[in-house]
Amino acid sequence: GAGVSQSPSNKVTEKGKDVELRCDPISGHTALYWYRQRLGQGLEFLIYFQGNSAPDKSGLPSDRFSAERTGESVSTLTIQRTQQEDSAVYLCASSYSGNTIYFGEGSWLTVV
Amino acid sequence: GENVEQHPSTLSVQEGDSAVIKCTYSDSASNYFPWYKQELGKGPQLIIDIRSNVGEKKDQRIAVTLNKTAKHFSLHITETQPEDSAVYFCAASFSGSARQLTFGSGTQLTVLP
Repeated sequence: GAGVSQSPSNKVTEKGKDVELRCDPISGHTALYWYRQRLGQGLEFLIYFQGNSAPDKSGLPSDRFSAERTGESVSTLTIQRTQQEDSAVYLCASSYSGNTIYFGEGSWLTVV
Repeated sequence: GENVEQHPSTLSVQEGDSAVIKCTYSDSASNYFPWYKQELGKGPQLIIDIRSNVGEKKDQRIAVTLNKTAKHFSLHITETQPEDSAVYFCAASFSGSARQLTFGSGTQLTVLP
């Protein structure tokens, strides 16, 4: 596609439920990133996929968070047993290898 | 790891004036420095970037300068317009490695009409 596509754009979930957020990167981009942005704050790195290499999971805040990527295409970020502090915008980004990273519009998650 | 500090956190300027946002980084191996603009409710958009082999880059009203010795880089916006109002993020990374970008904490720029 023309840009990084994320779904859903908005999600309201009850505390304790699991959520899945999807990212469709720009076609041909080998690298894919997930970031979290709490209201009024900066970007917090979560996880990075590069080709077939093992992902860099160093930013995942707890074992409730996990992410998968199918080859060099779609990625899913899963948050299990959601907590209110998980409320944030989850931003996906992709790049081809020259470091220019393009972001999606984000998935706004609200845990009530 | 890399650490990026960004100042100021908020900046208000009159329309037509210039705005300058500054960032410092800690890892001397970093060689790629992009700037992103984030409008309310949207994802960050790349507006300009610079690599360590140049000291300055300009694109119309936007310029970025890099001082590798001092490990700092700055965004300059001239002739500011109300549509420049947004949050601006700087970032740093080392190209060619598996490292991800490290972002600054952001600057809320408000251009007053």
